Amino acid sequence: AQRVTQPEKLLSVFKGAPVELKCNYSYSGSPELFWYVQYSRQRLQLLLRHISRESIKGFTADLNKGETSFHLKKPFAQEEDSAMYYCALKAGGTSYGKLTFGQGTILTVHP
Amino acid sequence: DTEVTQTPKHLVMGMTNKKSLKCEQHMGHRAMYWYKQKAKKPPELMFVYSYEKLSINESVPSRFSPECPNSSLLNLHLHALQPEDSALYLCASSPIATPGNEKLFFGSGTQLSVL
Repeated sequence: AQRVTQPEKLLSVFKGAPVELKCNYSYSGSPELFWYVQYSRQRLQLLLRHISRESIKGFTADLNKGETSFHLKKPFAQEEDSAMYYCALKAGGTSYGKLTFGQGTILTVHP
Repeated sequence: DTEVTQTPKHLVMGMTNKKSLKCEQHMGHRAMYWYKQKAKKPPELMFVYSYEKLSINESVPSRFSPECPNSSLLNLHLHALQPEDSALYLCASSPIATPGNEKLFFGSGTQLSVL
């Protein structure tokens, strides 16, 4: 069975400070990992995919298979980054399928 | 049109009612999904359709009946629900992409209350 753990329900930082949202996973196969974000009163949307090695809105995430982690990082947080962040895992191999979400972390960036 | 549209936004129903949730997308996506989200919890997958065929059913009770009449529409038929089925029901779609590259587009959801 696959499992995603986000240990922090709430995370508060000040504007300009670095931020790291933690995500650990449990899965016996080759995982595909994602970060989804939900801004206030907006729908859930994809932030980034590990396979793309992309940087979106200054956020990056590196898959560490040894530590089974996929932490989300940003060097300088902005107030508009305040949102709910979900780490999600999909069993590898199919081009669609079951996403398992972590419990989510609410990030608040103070001015 | 780059949105997934869900109707209705809110629904209140009794335990003996029959109702349907509707989802529509015109992005040409061939995978569509139903997720259930309880308050302060993450979304949980219910069903996946691929090329209009049901490909994943996450052991959902039969009082929930999905239907994909064409590549743009996804319905969820509800019958004899229980109060614990009250939740936000999210529809999503994605293109069929290389594994790991899929991007789900979510609707804004239907907030369902079962009395």
